[in-house]
Amino acid sequence: DGGITQSPKYLFRKEGQNVTLSCEQNLNHDAMYWYRQDPGQGLRLIYYSQIVNDFQKGDIAEGYSVSREKKESFPLTVTSAQKNPTAFYLCASKGQGVRQPQHFGDGTRLSIL
Amino acid sequence: DAKTTQPNSMESNEEEPVHLPCNHSTISGTDYIHWYRQLPSQGPEYVIHGLTSNVNNRMASLAIAEDRKSSTLILHRATLRDAAVYYCILKAIFGNEKLTFGTGTRLTIIP
Repeated sequence: DGGITQSPKYLFRKEGQNVTLSCEQNLNHDAMYWYRQDPGQGLRLIYYSQIVNDFQKGDIAEGYSVSREKKESFPLTVTSAQKNPTAFYLCASKGQGVRQPQHFGDGTRLSIL
Repeated sequence: DAKTTQPNSMESNEEEPVHLPCNHSTISGTDYIHWYRQLPSQGPEYVIHGLTSNVNNRMASLAIAEDRKSSTLILHRATLRDAAVYYCILKAIFGNEKLTFGTGTRLTIIP
């Protein structure tokens, strides 16, 4: 089945460590997105990529980095510079055309030990 | 992106219709109205979208006011699986593709 796979589902990080969250899609979508969600809040955009080898900062990019070397993959690294990394992280992808919806994965919940 | 206003929470009885309102008084002529929903511990799921005319799909209906300053998502017969947070989002036709999520409406279905 086509879809978006995020792994791991739960992730624990020690302070001072970088961690990388995986996002893979087999929908042949050009655009991919990373969002952060805090308890009781809506989603906030971290980074997005509209094509391979290109990406742009979203509203809360500080302390995060991404790469887009392959169409199928858009990993997110939470660096030690992110002072409050505990959150629910969601990846999405979207096909071409303004009417196409975003398709979301089931998220990764990151916690600080 | 223009802002939307939704009630924080709503309740509905199972097997009855549900009308979820959304106000967007600053909507521009090139903004689509999108609805997504998020079940607990899952990513958001696309529900429906429209521009000017009312829209129907297998999940729901979208009724858009004539002046486009408000819209209503209609679930025709609520089930327990419809309990979720529903987000009303305005998406410009042009520009980048990001979605701006508010806090949405938490829908509780009463058995």
